Amino acid sequence: AQKVTQAQTEISVVEKEDVTLDCVYETRDTTYYLFWYKQPPSGELVFLIRRNSFDEQNEISGRYSWNFQKSTSSFNFTITASQVVDSAVYFCALSEVGAGTALIFGKGTTLSVSS
Amino acid sequence: DTAVSQTPKYLVTQMGNDKSIKCEQNLGHDTMYWYKQDSKKFLKIMFSYNNKELIINETVPNRFSPKSPDKAHLNLHINSLELGDSAVYFCASSPRISNQPQHFGDGTRLSIL
Repeated sequence: AQKVTQAQTEISVVEKEDVTLDCVYETRDTTYYLFWYKQPPSGELVFLIRRNSFDEQNEISGRYSWNFQKSTSSFNFTITASQVVDSAVYFCALSEVGAGTALIFGKGTTLSVSS
Repeated sequence: DTAVSQTPKYLVTQMGNDKSIKCEQNLGHDTMYWYKQDSKKFLKIMFSYNNKELIINETVPNRFSPKSPDKAHLNLHINSLELGDSAVYFCASSPRISNQPQHFGDGTRLSIL
């Protein structure tokens, strides 16, 4: 069975701190996809990144970076120099291959950044 | 232009009523989804349709019936609403090519009195 675990329920940091959000997944498939979504207080779901299981390269996009390690089944997300606007719920998700396949979400990590 | 639009944004109604939530996407995607987000923010798939064909039908009460009149629309009809149906319902779409990012609507907050 597929499962995504985000063990950190809530994290609070002060602006300019770096913060890492953990994501651990379980799947029996050899091909799968991992995602991160952001849900700000306004409620919409914003896509951040997709990674397939064959691409273990880390990725950096501005202040955001992602570390994918198949050996530990982890796909962690780091925000460098956090800002108040980063305050949101962050979801890690997993999907199998195939049209119409669903995203299996973790329970989310609520990040609060104070000034 | 809104890519995935849901109406209404808020829906307040009484137990036992029947209601519908509409979803439309203008991205040309073949696949559409309904997810439910409960009060603890947990997101779970309810249904997915690929080119109007039902692909996923999770363990959802029969009171929930999706309808896809064409591949740009996926509506959700709910009969005999119960208190436990209170949640935020998200529509999403993605291209037919598997595992492209799903684009979500802004959600419909359903409150049952």
